[in-house]
Amino acid sequence: DIVMTQSPDSLAVSLGERATINCKSSQSVLYSSNNKNYLAWYQQKPGQPPKLLIYWASTRGSGVPDRFSGSGSGTEFTLTISSLQPEDVAFYYCHHYYDPPYTFGQGTKLDIK
Amino acid sequence: EVQLVESGGGLVQPGGSLRLSCAASGFSVNDYGMAWVRQAPGKGLEWVSSISGRNGGPHYADSVKGRFTISRDNSKNTVFLQINSLRADDTALYYCAKGDRGDYANSWLDPWGQGTLVTVSS
Repeated sequence: DIVMTQSPDSLAVSLGERATINCKSSQSVLYSSNNKNYLAWYQQKPGQPPKLLIYWASTRGSGVPDRFSGSGSGTEFTLTISSLQPEDVAFYYCHHYYDPPYTFGQGTKLDIK
Repeated sequence: EVQLVESGGGLVQPGGSLRLSCAASGFSVNDYGMAWVRQAPGKGLEWVSSISGRNGGPHYADSVKGRFTISRDNSKNTVFLQINSLRADDTALYYCAKGDRGDYANSWLDPWGQGTLVTVSS
């Protein structure tokens, strides 16, 4: 099974500053036949279901602000929020869909400093 | 508009069973992979099960294999999760989510329903 490990578990960033969340997979989630990384990122605010932010490691979901970006390949990935806004306070999860079981990272809590 | 509405949760004794439903609108569940993901109180997300569209087979997390069964009723445009032999650690909010890669089970999930709460306690 592929284990997804996020870092840090929590972080606090000042408004307008950059926030960076990392995700490492225990095996590569890059599928060689199509050169795509089977990796997604979600945002979850209190009392709400998760919302898709990024898929294929770097493609923004519909309606997602362009301050959110995803990068990385193989086993190491990063979610970056270029300029933190108050509405970005949430938990963030990475998720692989390479091979079942399609596991999630443990989550990262993002707060305002 | 794509919408998912879960139901069927509740309080059940250890060893009991429930059947969770996920009613879909705005698309056909036959054409898309679908998934169940759960979240224990105050904890992170745990993938539980996925089913591909059409004739694809289901997949399960090891923690639920042999106890949970995912299925689909195309005529009702609904996905189900039959959960048996419930344990205290199955207590969670169960979300239904739509895959976005056509009928593949291995997909990112968008959108998600609001969830249905399962509480296992004597």
